[in-house]
Amino acid sequence: LAKTTQPISMDSYEGQEVNITCSHNNIATNDYITWYQQFPSQGPRFIIQGYKTKVTNEVASLFIPADRKSSTLSLPRVSLSDTAVYYCLVGAPRGASGGSYIPTFGRGTSLIVHP
Amino acid sequence: KAGVTQTPRYLIKTRGQQVTLSCSPISGHRSVSWYQQTPGQGLQFLFEYFSETQRNKGNFPGRFSGRQFSNSRSEMNVSTLELGDSALYLCASSLDSSAGGWDTEAFFGQGTRLTVV
Repeated sequence: LAKTTQPISMDSYEGQEVNITCSHNNIATNDYITWYQQFPSQGPRFIIQGYKTKVTNEVASLFIPADRKSSTLSLPRVSLSDTAVYYCLVGAPRGASGGSYIPTFGRGTSLIVHP
Repeated sequence: KAGVTQTPRYLIKTRGQQVTLSCSPISGHRSVSWYQQTPGQGLQFLFEYFSETQRNKGNFPGRFSGRQFSNSRSEMNVSTLELGDSALYLCASSLDSSAGGWDTEAFFGQGTRLTVV
Protein backbone atom coordinates (compact mmCIF):
# COMPACT_ATOMS: atom_id res chain seq x y z
CA LEU A 1 0.00 0.00 0.00
CA ALA A 2 1.27 3.44 -0.86
CA LYS A 3 2.08 5.42 2.27
CA THR A 4 1.42 9.14 2.30
CA THR A 5 3.20 11.92 4.17
CA GLN A 6 1.66 15.34 4.77
CA PRO A 7 2.55 18.29 7.00
CA ILE A 8 0.87 17.99 10.35
CA SER A 9 -0.39 21.55 10.35
CA MET A 10 -0.47 24.74 8.32
CA ASP A 11 -1.55 28.30 8.99
CA SER A 12 -2.88 30.81 6.50
CA TYR A 13 -4.89 34.02 6.31
CA GLU A 14 -8.18 34.78 4.66
CA GLY A 15 -7.88 35.49 0.97
CA GLN A 16 -4.57 33.68 0.52
CA GLU A 17 -3.95 30.64 -1.65
CA VAL A 18 -3.03 27.52 0.31
CA ASN A 19 -1.03 24.65 -1.12
CA ILE A 20 -0.83 21.36 0.79
CA THR A 21 1.65 18.83 -0.51
CA CYS A 22 1.40 15.09 -0.03
CA SER A 23 4.30 12.72 -0.65
CA HIS A 24 3.59 9.21 -1.91
CA ASN A 25 6.90 7.83 -3.11
CA ASN A 26 5.75 4.27 -3.66
CA ILE A 27 2.57 5.07 -5.55
CA ALA A 28 1.57 2.24 -7.89
CA THR A 29 0.70 2.54 -11.55
CA ASN A 30 -3.01 2.04 -10.96
CA ASP A 31 -3.28 4.32 -7.92
CA TYR A 32 -5.40 7.45 -7.88
CA ILE A 33 -4.90 10.37 -5.50
CA THR A 34 -7.90 11.58 -3.54
CA TRP A 35 -8.25 14.45 -1.07
CA TYR A 36 -10.83 14.75 1.68
CA GLN A 37 -11.72 17.58 4.06
CA GLN A 38 -12.97 17.04 7.60
CA PHE A 39 -14.50 19.50 10.03
CA PRO A 40 -14.62 18.70 13.77
CA SER A 41 -17.20 16.07 14.72
CA GLN A 42 -18.18 15.50 11.11
CA GLY A 43 -17.30 12.85 8.56
CA PRO A 44 -14.73 13.59 5.85
CA ARG A 45 -15.98 15.18 2.65
CA PHE A 46 -14.58 14.40 -0.81
CA ILE A 47 -12.77 17.37 -2.37
CA ILE A 48 -11.00 16.19 -5.48
CA GLN A 49 -9.43 13.18 -7.18
CA GLY A 50 -6.85 12.81 -9.91
CA TYR A 51 -4.43 10.48 -11.63
CA LYS A 52 -1.92 12.77 -13.34
CA THR A 53 -1.25 16.39 -14.38
CA LYS A 54 -3.89 18.79 -13.15
CA VAL A 55 -7.48 18.50 -12.05
CA THR A 56 -9.67 21.45 -11.15
CA ASN A 57 -13.17 21.73 -9.77
CA GLU A 58 -15.20 24.49 -8.16
CA VAL A 59 -13.51 23.95 -4.81
CA ALA A 60 -9.84 23.18 -5.45
CA SER A 61 -7.11 22.19 -7.86
CA LEU A 62 -4.91 19.13 -7.70
CA PHE A 63 -1.45 19.19 -9.22
CA ILE A 64 0.34 15.91 -9.87
CA PRO A 65 3.86 15.94 -11.39
CA ALA A 66 4.91 13.48 -14.04
CA ASP A 67 6.57 11.07 -11.60
CA ARG A 68 3.40 11.08 -9.44
CA LYS A 69 5.48 10.74 -6.27
CA SER A 70 3.77 13.75 -4.77
CA SER A 71 0.65 15.83 -5.24
CA THR A 72 -0.42 19.31 -4.21
CA LEU A 73 -3.89 20.36 -3.20
CA SER A 74 -4.42 24.04 -3.94
CA LEU A 75 -7.19 26.01 -2.24
CA PRO A 76 -7.66 29.44 -3.83
CA ARG A 77 -8.50 32.41 -1.62
CA VAL A 78 -9.25 30.54 1.60
CA SER A 79 -11.79 31.74 4.11
CA LEU A 80 -12.29 31.02 7.80
CA SER A 81 -14.66 28.20 6.86
CA ASP A 82 -11.80 26.34 5.17
CA THR A 83 -10.29 25.65 8.60
CA ALA A 84 -10.32 21.85 8.69
CA VAL A 85 -8.19 18.72 8.44
CA TYR A 86 -7.22 17.70 4.91
CA TYR A 87 -6.41 14.10 4.07
CA CYS A 88 -4.52 12.74 1.10
CA LEU A 89 -5.33 9.16 0.07
CA VAL A 90 -3.66 6.98 -2.52
CA GLY A 91 -5.23 3.83 -3.89
CA ALA A 92 -6.44 1.92 -6.89
CA PRO A 93 -9.92 1.34 -8.18
CA ARG A 94 -10.95 -2.14 -7.23
CA GLY A 95 -11.34 -3.35 -10.79
CA ALA A 96 -7.92 -2.10 -11.82
CA SER A 97 -6.11 -3.45 -8.77
CA GLY A 98 -7.71 -6.84 -9.11
CA GLY A 99 -7.85 -7.20 -5.37
CA SER A 100 -8.79 -5.56 -2.15
CA TYR A 101 -7.92 -2.01 -1.33
CA ILE A 102 -8.05 -0.73 2.21
CA PRO A 103 -8.18 3.08 2.19
CA THR A 104 -5.70 4.67 4.55
CA PHE A 105 -6.43 8.18 5.74
CA GLY A 106 -3.33 8.95 7.78
CA ARG A 107 -3.25 11.91 10.17
CA GLY A 108 -3.98 14.59 7.62
CA THR A 109 -2.99 18.26 7.64
CA SER A 110 -4.72 20.58 10.05
CA LEU A 111 -5.23 23.88 8.26
CA ILE A 112 -6.05 26.93 10.34
CA VAL A 113 -7.18 30.06 8.50
CA HIS A 114 -6.78 33.30 10.45
CA PRO A 115 -8.76 36.51 9.93
CA LYS B 1 -31.27 13.44 -1.91
CA ALA B 2 -30.70 12.32 1.68
CA GLY B 3 -27.14 11.80 2.83
CA VAL B 4 -25.66 9.02 4.90
CA THR B 5 -27.53 8.66 8.17
CA GLN B 6 -25.95 7.25 11.28
CA THR B 7 -27.80 6.47 14.47
CA PRO B 8 -27.51 7.15 17.26
CA ARG B 9 -25.39 10.31 17.19
CA TYR B 10 -24.19 9.88 20.74
CA LEU B 11 -23.92 6.85 22.98
CA ILE B 12 -22.56 6.17 26.45
CA LYS B 13 -21.87 2.59 27.42
CA THR B 14 -20.20 0.80 30.29
CA ARG B 15 -17.13 -1.40 29.97
CA GLY B 16 -18.07 -4.98 29.13
CA GLN B 17 -21.31 -4.06 27.42
CA GLN B 18 -21.93 -4.41 23.74
CA VAL B 19 -23.18 -1.80 21.28
CA THR B 20 -24.78 -1.75 17.85
CA LEU B 21 -24.46 1.22 15.54
CA SER B 22 -26.55 1.75 12.44
CA CYS B 23 -25.82 3.29 9.06
CA SER B 24 -28.24 4.04 6.24
CA PRO B 25 -26.35 4.74 3.01
CA ILE B 26 -27.39 7.07 0.26
CA SER B 27 -30.14 5.51 -1.82
CA GLY B 28 -28.62 3.39 -4.59
CA HIS B 29 -25.21 3.09 -2.96
CA ARG B 30 -24.11 -0.48 -2.52
CA SER B 31 -20.83 -0.16 -0.65
CA VAL B 32 -20.71 0.73 3.03
CA SER B 33 -17.48 1.19 4.96
CA TRP B 34 -16.91 1.77 8.65
CA TYR B 35 -14.12 3.75 10.29
CA GLN B 36 -13.01 4.47 13.83
CA GLN B 37 -11.57 7.88 14.61
CA THR B 38 -9.67 8.68 17.78
CA PRO B 39 -7.29 11.54 18.63
CA GLY B 40 -4.45 9.08 19.15
CA GLN B 41 -4.84 6.82 16.12
CA GLY B 42 -6.62 9.05 13.63
CA LEU B 43 -9.06 7.64 11.13
CA GLN B 44 -8.75 3.86 10.88
CA PHE B 45 -10.59 1.54 8.51
CA LEU B 46 -12.71 -1.14 10.16
CA PHE B 47 -14.44 -3.00 7.35
CA GLU B 48 -16.37 -2.66 4.13
CA TYR B 49 -19.55 -4.36 3.00
CA PHE B 50 -20.86 -4.80 -0.50
CA SER B 51 -23.97 -6.76 -1.45
CA GLU B 52 -24.32 -8.09 2.10
CA THR B 53 -20.77 -9.50 2.08
CA GLN B 54 -17.73 -8.24 3.91
CA ARG B 55 -15.31 -7.31 1.17
CA ASN B 56 -12.45 -5.73 3.11
CA LYS B 57 -11.38 -5.79 6.72
CA GLY B 58 -9.01 -3.61 8.68
CA ASN B 59 -6.78 -4.61 11.55
CA PHE B 60 -9.25 -4.71 14.42
CA PRO B 61 -10.01 -7.50 16.91
CA GLY B 62 -12.92 -9.87 16.43
CA ARG B 63 -14.96 -7.88 18.97
CA PHE B 64 -15.72 -5.56 16.07
CA SER B 65 -18.15 -7.01 13.58
CA GLY B 66 -20.66 -5.82 11.07
CA ARG B 67 -23.28 -6.81 8.61
CA GLN B 68 -25.16 -5.42 5.68
CA PHE B 69 -28.79 -5.98 4.82
CA SER B 70 -30.39 -6.43 1.43
CA ASN B 71 -31.36 -2.75 1.34
CA SER B 72 -27.65 -1.86 1.85
CA ARG B 73 -28.22 -0.59 5.38
CA SER B 74 -25.41 -1.66 7.64
CA GLU B 75 -24.81 -2.22 11.31
CA MET B 76 -21.63 -2.60 13.25
CA ASN B 77 -21.37 -4.27 16.62
CA VAL B 78 -18.73 -4.00 19.28
CA SER B 79 -18.84 -6.59 22.02
CA THR B 80 -17.18 -6.52 25.43
CA LEU B 81 -16.53 -2.80 25.25
CA GLU B 82 -13.22 -1.42 26.48
CA LEU B 83 -12.37 2.14 27.47
CA GLY B 84 -10.18 2.37 24.36
CA ASP B 85 -13.20 1.83 22.14
CA SER B 86 -14.35 5.37 22.91
CA ALA B 87 -14.26 7.04 19.52
CA LEU B 88 -16.17 8.63 16.68
CA TYR B 89 -17.44 5.82 14.44
CA LEU B 90 -17.96 6.89 10.86
CA CYS B 91 -19.83 5.19 8.08
CA ALA B 92 -19.26 5.94 4.40
CA SER B 93 -21.23 4.84 1.38
CA SER B 94 -20.28 4.82 -2.27
CA LEU B 95 -22.03 3.91 -5.48
CA ASP B 96 -19.36 1.39 -6.45
CA SER B 97 -20.30 0.17 -9.89
CA SER B 98 -19.21 -3.35 -10.81
CA ALA B 99 -15.91 -2.07 -12.18
CA GLY B 100 -15.48 0.73 -9.71
CA GLY B 101 -14.33 0.87 -6.15
CA TRP B 102 -12.45 3.44 -4.27
CA ASP B 103 -12.17 5.72 -7.23
CA THR B 104 -15.79 6.61 -6.77
CA GLU B 105 -16.57 9.32 -4.28
CA ALA B 106 -17.28 8.13 -0.74
CA PHE B 107 -19.92 9.99 1.26
CA PHE B 108 -19.57 10.02 5.02
CA GLY B 109 -22.19 10.32 7.71
CA GLN B 110 -21.79 12.58 10.73
CA GLY B 111 -20.76 9.65 12.86
CA THR B 112 -21.70 8.12 16.18
CA ARG B 113 -19.76 9.39 19.18
CA LEU B 114 -19.32 6.40 21.50
CA THR B 115 -18.10 6.94 25.03
CA VAL B 116 -17.21 3.93 27.16
CA VAL B 117 -17.08 4.54 30.90
